[in-house]
Amino acid sequence: KNEVEQSPQNLTAQEGEFITINCSYSVGISALHWLQQHPGGGIVSLFMLSSGKKKHGRLIATINIQEKHSSLHITASHPRDSAVYICAVRGGGGADGLTFGKGTHLIIQP
Amino acid sequence: EAGVTQSPTHLIKTRGQQATLRCSPISGHTSVYWYQQALGLGLQFLLWYDEGEERNRGNFPPRFSGRQFPNYSSELNVNALELEDSALYLCASSDGQGLRETQYFGPGTRLLVL
Repeated sequence: KNEVEQSPQNLTAQEGEFITINCSYSVGISALHWLQQHPGGGIVSLFMLSSGKKKHGRLIATINIQEKHSSLHITASHPRDSAVYICAVRGGGGADGLTFGKGTHLIIQP
Repeated sequence: EAGVTQSPTHLIKTRGQQATLRCSPISGHTSVYWYQQALGLGLQFLLWYDEGEERNRGNFPPRFSGRQFPNYSSELNVNALELEDSALYLCASSDGQGLRETQYFGPGTRLLVL
């Protein structure tokens, strides 16, 4: 069973700051997902990675397969980025659903 | 393009009753996943259906069951409800084309067991 650890658990920053959220997992995977959950509960898939780096707007996600580690970066953070960011992995065999980290609660203050 | 839809949005039941939750995937998606987000426990994988078959299930008792219909919509049934089944139940769909497909999440059903 894959163990997914996220850090930090909580992060409060000022608008405009560069944000980094980290995710580590214990067993080889087929893919890693970064998800965003807003207070109402709705979840949005931000990225799905199996190698390298992806960028979408102000969001950047990287993954290092050898080190079993991924990071999510937010540049020029904005209060609307306030949400829970969840890292999730799918096992090497791909025969099951996602295993989730506990999430990072991000608050961006104006 | 319509996203993943779930119904009902909220459901209140009492202990021992049965709950039925429904999910309609994005058009063209054949895989449906069910997840539970209980307070303090984070998201946990429940069930995966693809092409009408149950492909895998998470570490949940048999009273959690479901099915996928020919139109790829899905039902999650929870029998003999217990208080700790109170949670947000999320459904996600994907096109099932490979191990690395993106999953698209629905808005969830909030189940409260009294």
